[in-house]
Amino acid sequence: QVQLQESGPGLVKPSQTLSLTCTVSGGSISSGGYYWSWIRQHPGKGLEWIGYIYYSGSTYYNPSLKSRVTISVDTSKNQFSLKLSSVTAADTAVYYCASRSELGNSDYWGQGTLVTVSS
Amino acid sequence: DIQMTQSPSSLSASVGDRVTITCRASQGISNYLAWFQQKPGKAPKSLIYAASSLQSGVPSKFSGSGSGTDFTLTISSLQPEDFATYYCQQYNSYPPTFGGGTKVEIK
Repeated sequence: QVQLQESGPGLVKPSQTLSLTCTVSGGSISSGGYYWSWIRQHPGKGLEWIGYIYYSGSTYYNPSLKSRVTISVDTSKNQFSLKLSSVTAADTAVYYCASRSELGNSDYWGQGTLVTVSS
Repeated sequence: DIQMTQSPSSLSASVGDRVTITCRASQGISNYLAWFQQKPGKAPKSLIYAASSLQSGVPSKFSGSGSGTDFTLTISSLQPEDFATYYCQQYNSYPPTFGGGTKVEIK
């Protein structure tokens, strides 16, 4: 069974870049067939999809965040990463990495990591 | 973006009750709809994909139906472990969008 684990700083200063990494175990990113995504949840609020990367490197970002988001993959480490630039307090959220099969019949999430934007 | 509207936003129910949650899309999404369960402090867990297909390991008390713009999630007999917040998500078009959630509480 695929397991995902987020890692990265829990506190980021305003205007800086938020950087998170998702380490995948129990499956290989490079084997294909899955979309590797980042999703966030503001405190006490609903879910917002940030973007995905495919093993080939192709990406799709939420237009609402597109100008600030970069998702990349390192297949040698079986990891994918999120960078969100020019953060503000509005980017304070729990960030989840997740994977979904192309058919949708497998869907795995990391436990989530809280990132607070504050000086 | 496609807007997903869930109702109700919260409900109170008793153990053993049959519970139905609805989700409406702002435009047709065929059957590209998933349902998630989220407990406090935990990541969402996928219950259903393709509107009505159960994820592996999910008990059969959960069922989903619908196509186009109107969908439902039904829990046939509510158990203590089912008290949680439930979200629908469309993945027919990008960006995927979630409903606002339905919190199921103990009566």
